[in-house]
Amino acid sequence: DAGVTQSPTHLIKTRGQQVTLRCSPISGHKSVSWYQQVLGQGPQFIFQYYEKEERGRGNFPDRFSARQFPNYSSELNVNALLLGDSALYLCASSATVPYGYTFGSGTRLTVV
Amino acid sequence: GQQLNQSPQSMFIQEGEDVSMNCTSSSIFNTWLWYKQDPGEGPVLLIALYKAGELTSNGRLTAQFGITRKDSFLNISASIPSDVGIYFCAGPGGGTASKLTFGTGTRLQVTL
Repeated sequence: DAGVTQSPTHLIKTRGQQVTLRCSPISGHKSVSWYQQVLGQGPQFIFQYYEKEERGRGNFPDRFSARQFPNYSSELNVNALLLGDSALYLCASSATVPYGYTFGSGTRLTVV
Repeated sequence: GQQLNQSPQSMFIQEGEDVSMNCTSSSIFNTWLWYKQDPGEGPVLLIALYKAGELTSNGRLTAQFGITRKDSFLNISASIPSDVGIYFCAGPGGGTASKLTFGTGTRLQVTL
């Protein structure tokens, strides 16, 4: 069975640009969460969606948004990119809320 | 907000040695999770703890849920080179049960 799939794996963007990251959960998992991991730190919670509804939002600016589609895949959008947005963005899926998360390998975003 | 502090921050050990690390919180957790993250990968769940005082093993790994519910411990016995990585504790909460709060991480390096 495929695990959590994230695309792209690496991305380089310029300050002020917009980016969309994609996540496909494990088949049957209805909960998807997004985390930001800055180098040298633990992951920080951004969003959680369950059954296409937002169930939780972390302390991130409105430049960050997400959505979940009917097939439970998800997109994370970041507008007006800043240098500080450079990080590994992790997607995690779970069959239930909130535990038992399986993480993907992440998207490495570099903002220059 | 909630903070999880892990110690030690990093450790160098020799193959075959036992390893101990801990995680402390400023507030009570009802669940403790231990993850391992390899370079370029997402965190992988090692052990989940659901009850104060609980002691749970997964192969050479043993974790305990502190009785105060403000700490947890992870032990690795007879370390091997593939134990290298960053170990994170995590717990749900911070105002929303859908959010995982991660610790600061313990970087483990094993020398032959």
